[in-house]
Amino acid sequence: DTAVSQTPKYLVTQMGNDKSIKCEQNLGHDTMYWYKQDSKKFLKIMFSYNNKELIINETVPNRFSPKSPDKAHLNLHINSLELGDSAVYFCASSPTGTKDTEAFFGQGTRLTVV
Amino acid sequence: AQKITQTQPGMFVQEKEAVTLDCTYDTSDPSYGLFWYKQPSSGEMIFLIYQGSYDQQNATEGRYSLNFQKARKSANLVISASQLGDSAMYFCAMREGNFGNEKLTFGTGTRLTIIP
Repeated sequence: DTAVSQTPKYLVTQMGNDKSIKCEQNLGHDTMYWYKQDSKKFLKIMFSYNNKELIINETVPNRFSPKSPDKAHLNLHINSLELGDSAVYFCASSPTGTKDTEAFFGQGTRLTVV
Repeated sequence: AQKITQTQPGMFVQEKEAVTLDCTYDTSDPSYGLFWYKQPSSGEMIFLIYQGSYDQQNATEGRYSLNFQKARKSANLVISASQLGDSAMYFCAMREGNFGNEKLTFGTGTRLTIIP
């Protein structure tokens, strides 16, 4: 059983399109995250949600809209895609209220905007 | 200011040798967690080892150990008896924050290449 699963794994799309990435975790965690990994491999947090509530929004353009229908799901919708959005997007989850447990990552979604 | 600093963009190490990957961090939070992740060329993020800010002993997990020097704010990863499969990107990360708003911040990573 995959703990954190993202779909799709690869996404190739044209500039200006709108796309969504889905994420689900079966670990019972309350906190979920979206990270962006750029071409230099730098991992930067975009959003975090705790029990469906947005907690962290790291100055991400408002073309990016996360949605958490329940605490096991955190989807990422991107409007008007730009070339600079090309990256690998990771979903992750962790238990809340503890700093001693690792975050579990999905396998990543490689987004290529052409 | 960088919260997590990894000063070695790339390292080459002979197989079977030990290797130390450097990590320094910056926080004013008295309670934090330090993590190392491995990212092989296949792309997934693999958790390796954890060290808590209040832990008295250095963490160890198999061939991985963490050299934690709190006063110097460093948390170096030591891999003993390196293997070809250890070739990957390695990320140091720190979790800080309070209930519900914990955040995991990553360093820029070190690309480790093991030479046969």
